[in-house]
Amino acid sequence: DQQVKQNSPSLSVQEGRISILNCDYTNSMFDYFLWYKKYPAEGPTFLISISSIKDKNEDGRFTVFLNKSAKHLSLHIVPSQPGDSAVYFCAASDTGANSKLTFGKGITLSVRP
Amino acid sequence: KAGVTQTPRYLIKTRGQQVTLSCSPISGHRSVSWYQQTPGQGLQFLFEYFSETQRNKGNFPGRFSGRQFSNSRSEMNVSTLELGDSALYLCASSASGVSPLHFGNGTRLTVT
Repeated sequence: DQQVKQNSPSLSVQEGRISILNCDYTNSMFDYFLWYKKYPAEGPTFLISISSIKDKNEDGRFTVFLNKSAKHLSLHIVPSQPGDSAVYFCAASDTGANSKLTFGKGITLSVRP
Repeated sequence: KAGVTQTPRYLIKTRGQQVTLSCSPISGHRSVSWYQQTPGQGLQFLFEYFSETQRNKGNFPGRFSGRQFSNSRSEMNVSTLELGDSALYLCASSASGVSPLHFGNGTRLTVT
């Protein structure tokens, strides 16, 4: 049973526009959420995280929103750049920290020039 | 600062054999985690070591084991390999539980 779900396998957006990547989870014990980006032949790279006590966290062009009642989080990238084209993984933890992460299956983002 | 180093990058083994994968964390990082990535299941947590002690364990059979040495380097062992063990095995290190994970580029294991 997938506890972290990224239902859309791919997303294509125009350069300069907003990219919105969605993620849903089922385990109410999750209290820490992260987004990772992965390029081919490389390991995932940490992007941004959010604790369950917050509903928004920003870091430059990246903003993560958390809706605990809906068990939903989203990653907004504004403005999108061609270099953002990669696979994005949503991950969650029930340890309040960066351990024992449960990952979604990823979304492939393509940013068109 | 050197990143997480995993060796070897590629490995081909026969069903029934065993394999050992190695991971050198970023200098100063004491936590090492292992993940398995397959097309069907995505990234799945195997285990985490901190200061030579296993701190967390995922839902994998006992054929999967690991250890961490005093210099924080870690090894993962899979015994009696099965075809389904074919995957990308990723190692990640962090300075502490609240620090982001830094992943290596992985070891691609193919079991024939």
